[in-house]
Order: sequence, then structure tokens, then C-alpha cells
Amino acid sequence: GESVGLHLPTLSVQEGDNSIINCAYSNSASDYFIWYKQESGKGPQFIIDIRSNMDKRQGQRVTVLLNKTVKHLSLQIAATQPGDSAVYFCAENRNGNNAGNMLTFGGGTRLMVKP
Amino acid sequence: KAGVTQTPRYLIKTRGQQVTLSCSPISGHRSVSWYQQTPGQGLQFLFEYFSETQRNKGNFPGRFSGRQFSNSRSEMNVSTLELGDSALYLCASSLASGSGYTFGSGTRLTVV
Repeated sequence: GESVGLHLPTLSVQEGDNSIINCAYSNSASDYFIWYKQESGKGPQFIIDIRSNMDKRQGQRVTVLLNKTVKHLSLQIAATQPGDSAVYFCAENRNGNNAGNMLTFGGGTRLMVKP
Repeated sequence: KAGVTQTPRYLIKTRGQQVTLSCSPISGHRSVSWYQQTPGQGLQFLFEYFSETQRNKGNFPGRFSGRQFSNSRSEMNVSTLELGDSALYLCASSLASGSGYTFGSGTRLTVV
């Protein structure tokens, strides 16, 4: 079946460097994508989202890029800080059968920031 | 404003028992979704409610059920608990279905 997946389970970066977390999706009809950050013992925290009519969206220190041609999503974190250490999930919003929606999550990437 | 509130935070139950988890969405949010998170399966969609109606259900057995009240608060119930139901159960709310999902901190259920 179709799924949302992440390429790397663990990413280790030096403090101050930029981080790039990648995600592949397979449902070409998906029109909304979200990146979440999850710290230990907490629920997923919204980072940034993007709709399919956009290629790029920027937030504070974060940028999401969407390449619909190859169905690829990436999250870029500038000047990575120790507080960025967490598991990052991409999620694809899919239309359900009854006009509702549901999020399909990738497996997650653990980002480790070395001081 | 207050975020999504899930109660209880932790729960220990015995196999065969049933459990009810509660979720209070952000004020004004009408869509509530539930997810199960386990190390092996990751985050999986359980069901979505909007205006007291279940609109979608994930691939879970009938032991998993839920409901939404007129004030948008939602509960999920798991009957005849199995060891494999041990997981973090997460609730997410949004103003309108299809955008801006905010998650609660979850309920950690342990079945022994």
C-alpha cells in the first residue's frame, strides 16, 4: 500500500550546522504535509506545514521543501541547537472515505545534536 | 489558550479489562483524531471525529471505539485489553478537518 517513509532513522549533526531530514511519500493525490518534532515523553509538536500548491515554505530556522515530481519532502533546520534533538516525523494528510482526513506518518528520524 | 488535554497521563490495566481515555481539544476545535504510537508500528491512525460523527476509522479491531460529545470532547475505549495494546495514545485536534493538527501529550497505557 501507499505510505510515507523516511530515508534515515538517525541523523547526527554538530551544533551550529544545518540539518536536513528527508521524507518520501507515495500518494500523489496528497495535498497537505506536516513536519512534527517529538521529544521524549511528549506528544508530537507542530513545526511547519506545506500545501501541495507550494514548493517551499519558511519558518523560524526551519524550511520545508516539497518536490512533487519525485514525491519528496525535506525539512531543513538552520544552525541546529541541542534543543533540536528529538525525533522528527513527516505526515501526509489524506482524505478519508467519509470526507474526513487522516494523517499518515513516516517512521521518524532521530536527530542528535553534538555540542 | 489551553492546548489539547489528555487524561489520564498514565494507566496500567490487566489483560481482559477495558479502558476509557479522554481528550479535550483546543477551544473552538471541532475535529478530534486519535492515534496509537508504538515502537514497532510507529504512529497509526485510529479514528477521526467531527461534530460528534466518526468520519474515518483506521485499521484497528472493533475493540477500539470512540465518541465525541457536543462540546467536542472525545473519548476512546478499548475493550478486552491485550498486551499488544500497550502504547502511547495520542489525540489531535484541529479547527477544521484537514489542517493545523495539534497533539496532546498522550496517555501511556500499559497492559500487564
